[in-house]
Amino acid sequence: QPVLTQSSSASASLGSSVKLTCTLSSGHSSYIIAWHQQQPGKAPRYLMKLEDRGSYNKGSGVPDRFSGSSSGADRYLTISNLQSEDEADYYCETWDSNTQVFGGGTKLTVL
Amino acid sequence: QVQLQESGPGLVKPSETLSLTCTVSGDSISSYYWSWIRQPPGKGLEWIGNIYHSGSTNYNPSLKSRITISVDTSKNQFSLKLSSVTAADTAVYYCARRTGGNHDYWGQGTLVTVSS
Repeated sequence: QPVLTQSSSASASLGSSVKLTCTLSSGHSSYIIAWHQQQPGKAPRYLMKLEDRGSYNKGSGVPDRFSGSSSGADRYLTISNLQSEDEADYYCETWDSNTQVFGGGTKLTVL
Repeated sequence: QVQLQESGPGLVKPSETLSLTCTVSGDSISSYYWSWIRQPPGKGLEWIGNIYHSGSTNYNPSLKSRITISVDTSKNQFSLKLSSVTAADTAVYYCARRTGGNHDYWGQGTLVTVSS
């Protein structure tokens, strides 16, 4: 089954951009992933589904500031014009025929 | 708008069975897969398992021997039973809808503490 690897933390300044990475394990570089945001004390929120070619579909109400891209086994979430409410944990997710897998999450701090 | 709501006891004794129910509104449970996911305090997300309206299930291999997920289409609900719980099962438990592979709607979560 696939494994997803994320950096444990990231930080960026208010109003700047940040690019978070989710890396698929060997042999799974073509897999589709999803990104989820979890603000402190809240449930996760679905952001987008991201394909290996870089095309993505966002969930309802997700701001234009959020975008996705791909390169090989890496899947990226870019947040532009960072706002204070973007400070959150970000999880990637993928799936196999009978299994769902989550990455360990990246804690984003907005400075 | 799809909404999911978890319900069940917030405290379970060690060795007993944890039981939770997820009530779905704004969508028919007779579509998609429906999942349980948990998050221990301060840690990441762990998929527990899912169920289709037909009753077909998929379980996390690490928990499979202790899990039962069932569905009640007449009530638009699905349920989780986790047996022989220990302190390691203390977590916020989420129910979620699985669409086209990933989860797109989540419940607000319910904290279950395992303690005597």
